[in-house]
Order: sequence, then C-alpha cells, then structure tokens
Amino acid sequence: DAGVIQSPRHEVTEMGQEVTLRCKPISGHDYLFWYRQTMMRGLELLIYFNNNVPIDDSGMPEDRFSAKMPNASFSTLKIQPSEPRDSAVYFCASSFLQEVFFGQGTRLTVV
Amino acid sequence: AQRVTQPEKLLSVFKGAPVELKCNYSYSGSPELFWYVQYSRQRLQLLLRHISRESIKGFTADLNKGETSFHLKKPFAQEEDSAMYYCALKRGSTLGRLYFGRGTQLTVWP
Repeated sequence: DAGVIQSPRHEVTEMGQEVTLRCKPISGHDYLFWYRQTMMRGLELLIYFNNNVPIDDSGMPEDRFSAKMPNASFSTLKIQPSEPRDSAVYFCASSFLQEVFFGQGTRLTVV
Repeated sequence: AQRVTQPEKLLSVFKGAPVELKCNYSYSGSPELFWYVQYSRQRLQLLLRHISRESIKGFTADLNKGETSFHLKKPFAQEEDSAMYYCALKRGSTLGRLYFGRGTQLTVWP
C-alpha cells in the first residue's frame, strides 16, 4: 500500500490563480482530513470528512477555500483565488479505527 | 479552548545523552494525547499515544493530569532520533481530529 497519496508535491502559482490540491486516501479508510502547516501557526485542521461527507469545516480560513470528496478514493482542496498568505504545506490524512496516516504533503507557494 | 504548547522550537543534545521534549496542554474534557514524528523528507507518523503506555524506539511519555503535561523522554538519544516532533491532542471522539503543538526540532549530535 502506497499510503495516502497527494498531488502535486510542489505547486507554484501566481496570486489570483485557482489552485487544486488532490488526495487519495488509503483504501477502506472512512475518515479524511485536510491540514495546513505554516511557520506562524503550525499544523491546523482545515476540514474533515466521514464516509465522504464533510463533518467539520470550521478550520477553513475563508470562503476562498473549498473541499470536496466526490467518492471514497478522492478528495480535493481548492483555493480560488489564491493569495501569497496561502503559501504553506497542505497535508491530507486518512484514518480507520485506531491510527491516522498522513500523506507527504503539497508545498504550495503563491507568488 | 484546547491548546497544546511545546515550549522549545529547537533542542540539541549529544548522542547518548538523555532527551526530554516538553508538551503541555489545556483541555476541558478527558485528554487523549499523542506524539507524532516527522523525519527529514518523510511523512508525519505516529510515534506513541498515551493510552497505549508503550515504549517506541526507546521513547516513553507519561500523561500527568495534575501538571497537564505529556513530555516525551528517551534516556539515551541516538543520531537517528533527529527529527521534528509534534505533540497532539485528540479533540472529541474522532481520532484524526487533532490539535497540534508547534513542534520541536530535535538534533542529536554525534
């Protein structure tokens, strides 16, 4: 099992552009989480899903951020329009029962 | 409100020395705490959880409710222990709904 797979690993985009981050959770996992890591705020939970349904999006910073999970094997985090302060590492994680597994993250730079 | 504090951003020790990474928390409910580790260029992974009372790679952590602490300790540090360590608090009943500290970068010198 390749674990939680995120793409792209690195993304550089211009301010104002739409950015889409992708995540493939581990097969069979029923929870999926999106985290953001910044120097200033550390690791923060943005949103999580249970069985493809968004449960808590209170961590999503602004309406520019949206996340979807159209099926059990795929989720996206979209930022539209992107701003320089969105630059961070975005982690996806999935869990089933007693352990959470993290992806390798997407490093986003907005210039 | 819940909070996890890791007071040391950087910690350096020599190989063979004891190491303690500090973690303090505030939480109104019954806490469930974890330590995660991120080695260079690798993904974040679980190191240990307080409910298991286990020792992983020589590390232990004891939950002290009186002091609201969950410090990570190892009696003899190894070079391969160099990594970023995060203390995390589980919020509610959902395992992955974690509140992380800012992390401590541990460097073990030869």
